[in-house]
Amino acid sequence: AAGVIQSPRHLIKEKRETATLKCYPIPRHDTVYWYQQGPGQDPQFLISFYEKMQSDKGSIPDRFSAQQFSDYHSELNMSSLELGDSALYFCASSFGPFTEAFFGQGTRLTVV
Amino acid sequence: GESVGLHLPTLSVQEGDNSIINCAYSNSASDYFIWYKQESGKGPQFIIDIRSNMDKRQGQRVTVLLNKTVKHLSLQIAATQPGDSAVYFCAEMPMDSSYKLIFGSGTRLLVRP
Repeated sequence: AAGVIQSPRHLIKEKRETATLKCYPIPRHDTVYWYQQGPGQDPQFLISFYEKMQSDKGSIPDRFSAQQFSDYHSELNMSSLELGDSALYFCASSFGPFTEAFFGQGTRLTVV
Repeated sequence: GESVGLHLPTLSVQEGDNSIINCAYSNSASDYFIWYKQESGKGPQFIIDIRSNMDKRQGQRVTVLLNKTVKHLSLQIAATQPGDSAVYFCAEMPMDSSYKLIFGSGTRLLVRP
């Protein structure tokens, strides 16, 4: 069965650079969630989209922005990167709220 | 703020025994809960879910119990296997924030051979 696809899997950026993470949800899923997970930490909710509209927002820095496109894929844009942004970034997708949310394998971002 | 937390950070069990992982949540308005398994460097893997109108749900070797009175959730794994070793998270979706899954602190399950 098709799963959530994230790209790239690994990304190395320098401080103050910009990064774009992509998420392709499971076919027919209309909801995308983004999470940040630091080493040994719980996944922290960043932002979610339903039917291409922003639905909920968590602890997402102003330097980050995201959107969901007409084909339901989503991109997380991160600017002015800081060392503390180094983490695993996951996206998940579901068919509406209150249904199973499945996660991708994540993008490991390293800021040097 | 609202949070979902776990009682024990690490649980060690003998292979073949049953495992019970607990979770306490604080948002009484939560309507939907999911248990995830996460192996090192991988994305959280969906295990089982339960809605607030249920108190028990069974899957393959796993059972989730929900006690709304005391706001407690548990995951029972029968006949624990070495492949079950991972970090387990419960996640909560509140009614007033239905597009946000809130994760609690994970429990690391170690299976002794």
